[in-house]
Amino acid sequence: AQSVAQPEDQVNVAEGNPLTVKCTYSVSGNPYLFWYVQYPNRGLQFLLKYITGDNLVKGSYGFEAEFNKSQTSFHLKKPSALVSDSALYFCAVRDMSSDSWGKLQFGAGTQVVVTP
Amino acid sequence: NAGVTQTPKFRVLKTGQSMTLLCAQDMNHEYMYWYRQDPGMGLRLIHYSVGEGTTAKGEVPDGYNVSRLKKQNFLLGLESAAPSQTSVYFCASSPLQGRRETQYFGPGTRLLVL
Repeated sequence: AQSVAQPEDQVNVAEGNPLTVKCTYSVSGNPYLFWYVQYPNRGLQFLLKYITGDNLVKGSYGFEAEFNKSQTSFHLKKPSALVSDSALYFCAVRDMSSDSWGKLQFGAGTQVVVTP
Repeated sequence: NAGVTQTPKFRVLKTGQSMTLLCAQDMNHEYMYWYRQDPGMGLRLIHYSVGEGTTAKGEVPDGYNVSRLKKQNFLLGLESAAPSQTSVYFCASSPLQGRRETQYFGPGTRLLVL
């Protein structure tokens, strides 16, 4: 069975500083990994994904994530945070079993607060 | 394209009442999903569909039923609502598996069961 963990309930960062949101996963076989962002009272918006290829994945709004197979991690990063990046961030892993039909397992979410 | 839309946006039910949540997508996606979001628990999969006329149970299916009579629509039904079903419900759709695989989410339906 697959699982994903986001060890921090909340991350606080000052505007202009680097932002990192952590995610670790457990899955059999090669994982598909995703990051989504949720703004208040909105649905989830896709940020980026890793399926195969380069370990550094670039996504929307200046975000990127690094896939690290040995550490089973997929941390989300942004070099310079903006106040508008304040939101709830979800990491998700794709179930790789043969009958998974693209089902995702989501982490509990990390609230990012960027202060001016 | 409107993407994924959900109806209604908000609803209040009394215990025992029934209702249907509608999800529609205009991206011609094969796969569709229903999730519920509760504080501190992320999103949990209720039911999903891999094509018109096919549905399957997810992680938390009890108390819910679904139907996918048309490819673009995925309905979630609550036959007898319970306070434990107070939640925010999200629908998502995805193209077939492979490099294009990404779930796209609707704006959500807030449901309060009294």
